[in-house]
Amino acid sequence: AIRMTQSPSSLSASTGDRVTITCRASQGISSYLAWYQQKPGKAPKLLIYAASTLQSGVPSRFSGSGSGTDFTLTISCLQSEDFATYYCQQYYSYPYSFGQGTKLEIK
Amino acid sequence: QVQLVESGGGVVQPGRSLRLSCAASGFTFSSYGMHWVRQAPGKGLEWVAVISYDGSNKYYADSVKGRFTISRDNSKNTLYLQMNSLRAEDTAVYYCAKGQQWLARTYMDVWGKGTTVTVSS
Repeated sequence: AIRMTQSPSSLSASTGDRVTITCRASQGISSYLAWYQQKPGKAPKLLIYAASTLQSGVPSRFSGSGSGTDFTLTISCLQSEDFATYYCQQYYSYPYSFGQGTKLEIK
Repeated sequence: QVQLVESGGGVVQPGRSLRLSCAASGFTFSSYGMHWVRQAPGKGLEWVAVISYDGSNKYYADSVKGRFTISRDNSKNTLYLQMNSLRAEDTAVYYCAKGQQWLARTYMDVWGKGTTVTVSS
């Protein structure tokens, strides 16, 4: 099974900051990587798929990059509504797997 | 709009069974693969199972293989998860999620709000 490792596990930032979250796969997954945002008590929401394609309706301050084993999610100018937990997920092969999550908190 | 509504969660004793349902609306259910994903209290997301648009192909996480069965009824626009031999570690919020029209390499673009399963004596 493919293991997904995110870093950092938690991150403190301020509104307006630029933040980057990284995700590493234990083997190559091409660009079959998605990013999800989850707020407390809510379902996950798809942000990005195919490593860098923004899901419809997601603000352009979110961007993704990478291929193979190393990926990043960048939020260019943090807004108050962006404080949440973010997960990467590989959909290259079954069983699918998620990273452990990165909790983005207000500094 | 596309909507997924899970039901069937509750408190169940270890070793017993439970069946979850996910009612879909707002899209052609019979054309899309569907997933179950779970989240234990205070933990991250864990993919559980997927079923193809016609029910002919299914894949499972190792942690549930042989105990859980995913199925669907396209005439009722409903996805199911039959959970047998439940364990304490199966305690989680269970989400259904919509995939794409193919089974391989499909991300999850719409999620339900989840239903809570608690396995406890």
